[in-house]
Amino acid sequence: NAGVTQTPKFQVLKTGQSMTLQCAQDMNHNSMYWYRQDPGMGLRLIYYSASEGTTDKGEVPNGYNVSRLNKREFSLRLESAAPSQTSVYFCASSERTSGGAREQYFGPGTRLTVT
Amino acid sequence: AQSVAQPEDQVNVAEGNPLTVKCTYSVSGNPYLFWYVQYPNRGLQFLLKYITGDNLVKGSYGFEAEFNKSQTSFHLKKPSALVSDSALYFCAVRALSGSGNTGKLIFGQGTTLQVKP
Repeated sequence: NAGVTQTPKFQVLKTGQSMTLQCAQDMNHNSMYWYRQDPGMGLRLIYYSASEGTTDKGEVPNGYNVSRLNKREFSLRLESAAPSQTSVYFCASSERTSGGAREQYFGPGTRLTVT
Repeated sequence: AQSVAQPEDQVNVAEGNPLTVKCTYSVSGNPYLFWYVQYPNRGLQFLLKYITGDNLVKGSYGFEAEFNKSQTSFHLKKPSALVSDSALYFCAVRALSGSGNTGKLIFGQGTTLQVKP
């Protein structure tokens, strides 16, 4: 069981370039999430997918798009990277319950620098 | 508005001493509360959660947390700290929305725990 995997681990982009961050989970979880982590700000939710076929905006969606390709995979796309998007990006997944009591499992992260 | 606060950026403790990492929350309805730990250059790992029942929750690596409804707090504790406990700790609360439960979490800003030998 690999859990949650993310690629790439590191990336440097120039302003205006585009890229896609990949995430996959092998735990048969319904829900998947993308977060960004910035110093002193904790984790902020960018987008989430409560189940296959659905996606919704989180707290900081501007400048990002997502695709829930299938139950396993959830990708995050930066169409035109900006320096403000320099951050560490984490993907997470969880089982979905009516009560929302399930913990999330996190990938190892992607460290992105936009110059 | 729902929120989580971790009032200390850093907590320093000597190895073998008890440790406490503080968390307070503001939610409507019953809170679902979580603690996660992040070691350097790693993703977050789940430690424990409070959903209902006993106010003292036990989790991984000897950690426990006490839910206090009157003080809206969920402090993380450990009776005897280890150097290997040094890490970044996050408190989180389930986020409720008009579309129902989505499993979303709101995270605090994190507290760095430093355990010195």
